[in-house]
Amino acid sequence: AQTVTQSQPEMSVQEAETVTLSCTYDTSESDYYLFWYKQPPSRQMILVIRQEAYKQQNATENRFSVNFQKAAKSFSLKISDSQLGDAAMYFCAYRAPWDMLTFGGGTRLMVKP
Amino acid sequence: NAGVTQTPKFQVLKTGQSMTLQCAQDMNHEYMSWYRQDPGMGLRLIHYSVGAGITDQGEVPNGYNVSRSTTEDFPLRLLSAAPSQTSVYFCASSYTDLDEQYFGPGTRLTVT
Repeated sequence: AQTVTQSQPEMSVQEAETVTLSCTYDTSESDYYLFWYKQPPSRQMILVIRQEAYKQQNATENRFSVNFQKAAKSFSLKISDSQLGDAAMYFCAYRAPWDMLTFGGGTRLMVKP
Repeated sequence: NAGVTQTPKFQVLKTGQSMTLQCAQDMNHEYMSWYRQDPGMGLRLIHYSVGAGITDQGEVPNGYNVSRSTTEDFPLRLLSAAPSQTSVYFCASSYTDLDEQYFGPGTRLTVT
């Protein structure tokens, strides 16, 4: 089974600052997909950003961007201009074709006003 | 557009009781799945289905059964509840297994 590791159980950031959440994964596949999900206190799982491994360009979605390092098997999430509404659990996830979606243990992000 | 709905939102069971968690989606998604989320852990896949009539086991299938008689519905059955099944359960759906998964609001289950 593939493994996804998020080494930061908790992170905090000042409002309007930038924060980076780390994620590493283990795979022998060359074709796969990586995701960052946000889970606010409401419990709802929300897709933040998605990256296809065959694409060299890092994905971006407004204030959210990733640093995808395929050789290092690293997939970090950068949140710019942090807002109070960004406070949540963030989960990194991996999926290869015909394989199950595997989640990391999560990082709790706190945003200080 | 309701998306993915789950019922109930909360449930308390006694050890040995059985129950069914309901999941429905109105997006005509072929792929549906059930996850459980335990404190300090990410979601773990219990069972999944790639279409009506087809189901398969995920990472933690023991103690759970599923069926997929229609595209819309994917119920999860606990045959004999155990305290180890205390968790939050999420249902999700997507067009294919590689597309974005849409999650339901979750069911918090407590087994005493």
